[in-house]
Amino acid sequence: GEDVEQSLFLSVREGDSSVINCTYTDSSSTYLYWYKQEPGAGLQLLTYIFSNMDMKQDQRLTVLLNKKDKHLSLRIADTQTGDSAIYFCAVIGSYNKLIFGAGTRLAVHP
Amino acid sequence: ETGVTQTPRHLVMGMTNKKSLKCEQHLGHNAMYWYKQSAKKPLELMFVYSLEERVENNSVPSRFSPECPNSSHLFLHLHTLQPEDSALYLCASSQSYQGSSEQYFGPGTRLTVT
Repeated sequence: GEDVEQSLFLSVREGDSSVINCTYTDSSSTYLYWYKQEPGAGLQLLTYIFSNMDMKQDQRLTVLLNKKDKHLSLRIADTQTGDSAIYFCAVIGSYNKLIFGAGTRLAVHP
Repeated sequence: ETGVTQTPRHLVMGMTNKKSLKCEQHLGHNAMYWYKQSAKKPLELMFVYSLEERVENNSVPSRFSPECPNSSHLFLHLHTLQPEDSALYLCASSQSYQGSSEQYFGPGTRLTVT
């Protein structure tokens, strides 16, 4: 079946770059997404990449897609304490259903 | 109110209680979703409604009963729940029931079953 995997935790120092990785099994997804969940809140779409792109940059965020390896990553430059959250990778599976990873908890420390 | 709202934000209920979760979207969307977020599992899609018709029911126990009276409101009726049903229940909406359509999430209802 379709599967999306992420590492569960990432700890970085404030000002450093964070890289959150995701691998997936279903390669037919037209879009691939990154959602952010702050404490006590629902998921918020952070960014997405179209499947025919290799990279997308949006201010401090850079999304890299390696379709051959089925690998998606999210890089956050100059990570701030406000970036502390859970980040979910999601792809579109069969029947147009969003398949989420388990989420990576990003902790930013001084 | 804007976006997707959910009430209540927190709910504690016994296993014999009956309660309902409410979701409302103010975005003019046509599709609404219920997700379950447990501590140790990926986000699980429970139900999908498109234009007030249920289009997906992912093997969810019958103690969870959804209702979509109109395209702006979605309910999840709960009865005879189990402690393992304790989780964050998230509602989402999207313009259409297509995977490429961005989903907007509510803040969730934190449910504790005692």
